[in-house]
Amino acid sequence: DAEITQSPRHKITETGRQVTLACHQTWNHNNMFWYRQDLGHGLRLIHYSYGVQDTNKGEVSDGYSVSRSNTEDLPLTLESAASSQTSVYFCASSPGQGTNYGYTFGSGTRLTVV
Amino acid sequence: GNSVTQMEGPVTLSEEAFLTINCTYTATGYPSLFWYVQYPGEGLQLLLKATKADDKGSNKGFEATYRKETTSFHLEKGSVQVSDSAVYFCALSDLGTPLVFGKGTRLSVIA
Repeated sequence: DAEITQSPRHKITETGRQVTLACHQTWNHNNMFWYRQDLGHGLRLIHYSYGVQDTNKGEVSDGYSVSRSNTEDLPLTLESAASSQTSVYFCASSPGQGTNYGYTFGSGTRLTVV
Repeated sequence: GNSVTQMEGPVTLSEEAFLTINCTYTATGYPSLFWYVQYPGEGLQLLLKATKADDKGSNKGFEATYRKETTSFHLEKGSVQVSDSAVYFCALSDLGTPLVFGKGTRLSVIA
């Protein structure tokens, strides 16, 4: 069965370190997204991609980067981790850019920056 | 810009009670509207959607009607179960842009 997987599920890192969170989908979806979930804020968009070599900034992109070298993967990199980036991170994918499509979400990565 | 406002939680109900979670939106175009559900420790799952005015989305006993005149998409269920305990998110997508989510409403159903 097709799926979207995130790794690791939990990570603790130190302030200032570079961290990469993985997202891999086997749906063959063109669109992939990264959101962070924080109490009182819901889900906020970090970066997204509509296809290979395409990346776009979302609402809260500062301190994060992504790259899309193939259809299946959209890794999220925290260049220099900060305590404000402690959060739960969700990756999602969708087949098209139209407004009718719902997203398929991964199970999330809980990141703690100490 | 586009935004979604949903009622603050938590909402606590007894089993078999009627559920309403309010959601209103602001959008520049003609958005599609969605409800997602998040069970503890999991990612979000699409619950239902509506793509144009007066459409009713439904799934697993939940319903929501796209009301353009009141810019609303309230989630309802006639008889909740303990297994419905989760966080519910209202969301919109307008003109092909990424989904914008509300802050979520936590529902607890007690037996």
